Amino acid sequence: NAGVTQTPKFRILKIGQSMTLQCTQDMNHNYMYWYRQDPGMGLKLIYYSVGAGITDKGEVPNGYNVSRSTTEDFPLRLELAAPSQTSVYFCASSYSRAEQFFGPGTRLTVL
Amino acid sequence: AQKITQTQPGMFVQEKEAVTLDCTYDTSDPSYGLFWYKQPSSGEMIFLIYQGSYDQQNATEGRYSLNFQKARKSANLVISASQLGDSAMYFCAMREAGNQFYFGTGTSLTVIP
Repeated sequence: NAGVTQTPKFRILKIGQSMTLQCTQDMNHNYMYWYRQDPGMGLKLIYYSVGAGITDKGEVPNGYNVSRSTTEDFPLRLELAAPSQTSVYFCASSYSRAEQFFGPGTRLTVL
Repeated sequence: AQKITQTQPGMFVQEKEAVTLDCTYDTSDPSYGLFWYKQPSSGEMIFLIYQGSYDQQNATEGRYSLNFQKARKSANLVISASQLGDSAMYFCAMREAGNQFYFGTGTSLTVIP
């Protein structure tokens, strides 16, 4: 099992550009999550999904969109990137509402 | 109000000693979960331990135990017999009903040889 994989590992965007962060899990987990971690801070939940076709907002959803067309994939879309979106993005999945398995993260810089 | 509060930005512990990392939480949901994660300098998030709000016993996982005091809304992590590899950031987190997750700002633990 690869677990939770994220691509890309690093990315630099210019202000106003858009991009999609990819997240895939091969554990057949129903629950998937996107977090951002700003320097020296804890994680903040952006969006989550409890199954294919179902998504919901977390604490900091503005500027992001998600979709969940399959159990395995949960891409995060950034539209009109802003410097405030410079962060490390983590995707996670879980079978139940307990332990989450995290991907390695994507380090995004918006200049 | 902060959902998760970790008041210790940095902690030091002697190798082989025990250390307690503090966490308090704020929720009005009767059903919630509490988690601790470790983040080494390499950046990955490693799950350590979980406590459900209805669990009667304190959770334990190897050298990790969670001191759950429901009335005080605290969920402190105890690491016994500290090892050099325990040096990392430690995050306390809470899942509320509705699947919202909240993380604290973390405690940096340094284990001294």
